[in-house]
Amino acid sequence: GAGVSQSPSNKVTEKGKDVELRCDPISGHTALYWYRQRLGQGLEFLIYFQGNSAPDKSGLPSDRFSAERTGESVSTLTIQRTQQEDSAVYLCASSPVAGGKYEQYFGPGTRLTVT
Amino acid sequence: KNQVEQSPQSLIILEGKNCTLQCNYTVSPFSNLRWYKQDTGRGPVSLTIMTFSENTKSNGRYTATLDADTKQSSLHITASQLSDSASYICVVGDSGGGADGLTFGKGTHLIIQP
Repeated sequence: GAGVSQSPSNKVTEKGKDVELRCDPISGHTALYWYRQRLGQGLEFLIYFQGNSAPDKSGLPSDRFSAERTGESVSTLTIQRTQQEDSAVYLCASSPVAGGKYEQYFGPGTRLTVT
Repeated sequence: KNQVEQSPQSLIILEGKNCTLQCNYTVSPFSNLRWYKQDTGRGPVSLTIMTFSENTKSNGRYTATLDADTKQSSLHITASQLSDSASYICVVGDSGGGADGLTFGKGTHLIIQP
């Protein structure tokens, strides 16, 4: 079956604009994660969804960041009023169930550049 | 605080040579340890995943070891190939039922030269 897909693959935007990133998880995976990876840095957890439970937003760096997911399908990560420090690769991963015991499958990421 | 430290930060070796990457962690309660390979411009792909009771696991030319007593892991790559050039990320999962349950290392950037 298809893996995790993300779109767009690259996004260049001007400082102050809003951007929306999309993630299509593997069908049947109830858990979905968003990570940020700055150049030369490790993955930084942003938010995760588990089924219809309230999402864990503990990793979101500011209130400019938000994410939505309808049921167990597509998720969108929105960054409002983008800043240059938001430039990074945004990775999405899905897992059959949430938690540290379970394998995660990553998408190819969206490279965001804020000019 | 859970932490994963990897070394070296970067490594350059000649094609055909072997190399070993290191991972030290302080994660509790420990559940599993994974090694991921991340090619440039791609998402991480799992190489191995080991639980507390496993001390070695192989995936082709990749062999991971785990010493749960010293909280250390290594990834050994045998007879390296140009396609092995990538970042290798050590990830430790906890079983505490917390948020994402995973702690990521910053990775080792490996370059294989012909």
